[in-house]
Amino acid sequence: GAGVSQSPRYKVAKRGQDVALRCDPISGHVSLFWYQQALGQGPEFLTYFQNEAQLDKSGLPSDRFFAERPEGSVSTLKIQRTQQEDSAVYLCASSSNGQGYGYTFGSGTRLTVV
Amino acid sequence: DAKTTQPPSMDCAEGRAANLPCNHSTISGNEYVYWYRQIHSQGPQYIIHGLKNNETNEMASLIITEDRKSSTLILPHATLRDTAVYYCIVPNAGKSTFGDGTTLTVKP
Repeated sequence: GAGVSQSPRYKVAKRGQDVALRCDPISGHVSLFWYQQALGQGPEFLTYFQNEAQLDKSGLPSDRFFAERPEGSVSTLKIQRTQQEDSAVYLCASSSNGQGYGYTFGSGTRLTVV
Repeated sequence: DAKTTQPPSMDCAEGRAANLPCNHSTISGNEYVYWYRQIHSQGPQYIIHGLKNNETNEMASLIITEDRKSSTLILPHATLRDTAVYYCIVPNAGKSTFGDGTTLTVKP
């Protein structure tokens, strides 16, 4: 596609529910990133893939967060047993070179945990 | 990755130049400076990047000091649609720290 596509655009989850957020990067982009953005703050790094390899997951806040990119294209961010503090916008970005520079971001998924 | 420091907010009159500063005093010699902006309810949008030379594209100009410890993003003729949060980042090994950026408000 022409840009990075994220789905769903909005997600409301009950506390304790598992959620899965999808990211379709720009075709051919090697690098893929997930960021979490709380209201009024800048994006916070979660994890980074180069092709199917997860090279950095240092930003994942707990073991309830898990990301995968099994075929080196589409990626899924999964959050288990959601809690209210997980409420945020989850942004996905992709880049055409391995250094991850010049990101193209999607519009994000707004997760609200009630 | 190198830490960046930006003022939290700035105002600019419509039609005038907007100059947004960024300090990145711990930047290393091979690290680029990137600028993005984020309009409400959208993902950040790439604006421009540079290493040590000044750069210009259709959106903005980037001035990097000779010691590379700071830079300035220039929007030459700001419009109301340029109201956004502007982020200066120095990516390293695939990871970028955005900070809270500068909220630029362009006023009529």
